[in-house]
Amino acid sequence: GQSLEQPSEVTAVEGAIVQINCTYQTSGFYGLSWYQQHDGGAPTFLSYNALDGLEETGRFSSFLSRSDSYGYLLLQELQMKDSASYFCAVLNTGGFKTIFGAGTRLFVKA
Amino acid sequence: NAGVTQTPKFQVLKTGQSMTLQCAQDMNHEYMSWYRQDPGMGLRLIHYSVGAGITDQGEVPNGYNVSRSTTEDFPLRLLSAAPSQTSVYFCASSYKGDQPQHFGDGTRLSIL
Repeated sequence: GQSLEQPSEVTAVEGAIVQINCTYQTSGFYGLSWYQQHDGGAPTFLSYNALDGLEETGRFSSFLSRSDSYGYLLLQELQMKDSASYFCAVLNTGGFKTIFGAGTRLFVKA
Repeated sequence: NAGVTQTPKFQVLKTGQSMTLQCAQDMNHEYMSWYRQDPGMGLRLIHYSVGAGITDQGEVPNGYNVSRSTTEDFPLRLLSAAPSQTSVYFCASSYKGDQPQHFGDGTRLSIL
């Protein structure tokens, strides 16, 4: 089977740094993606890691450790507009089936 | 460039009715997928396709059918609607399976 675990909620202060963790169990792992979804909106792609290490895109960074079946999304210089749900998603080999986690709701306080 | 277009945006059905949710993309993407999202939950994969003529089941395929006769279109059919299928349905596409997925705006479906 496949499973992904991420915290259900995280609260942080504007301007701070927050890390959202994701652990996964799956066979045929290919890569880990992160998506953002605002209330009432559609998910939008943030980042993707296929190899171990850190990927940086502006204020957002994503990390992957394949040996630990673990990844995280790092958001720096938090802004109010970052309040949203964040989903990690595992991409499997053999058809590239993408399985999403349940999501982490991020609340950014002033 | 329209991206991924889903129709309708809202729909109310009665139990036992059938309907088709439409999804079209104009980006020449090979990979398309259907997800459902229930309140406070993540997206669950219903069916996906890696190219025209090729479809496969996701996590929750029961009660749904798909076909992929063209690269552009990937309709989702509810065979006999049940209240448990009340959800928001998202269609997504990507150039290849390991590329970022682009999502449509969703179809909000209620089954009474």
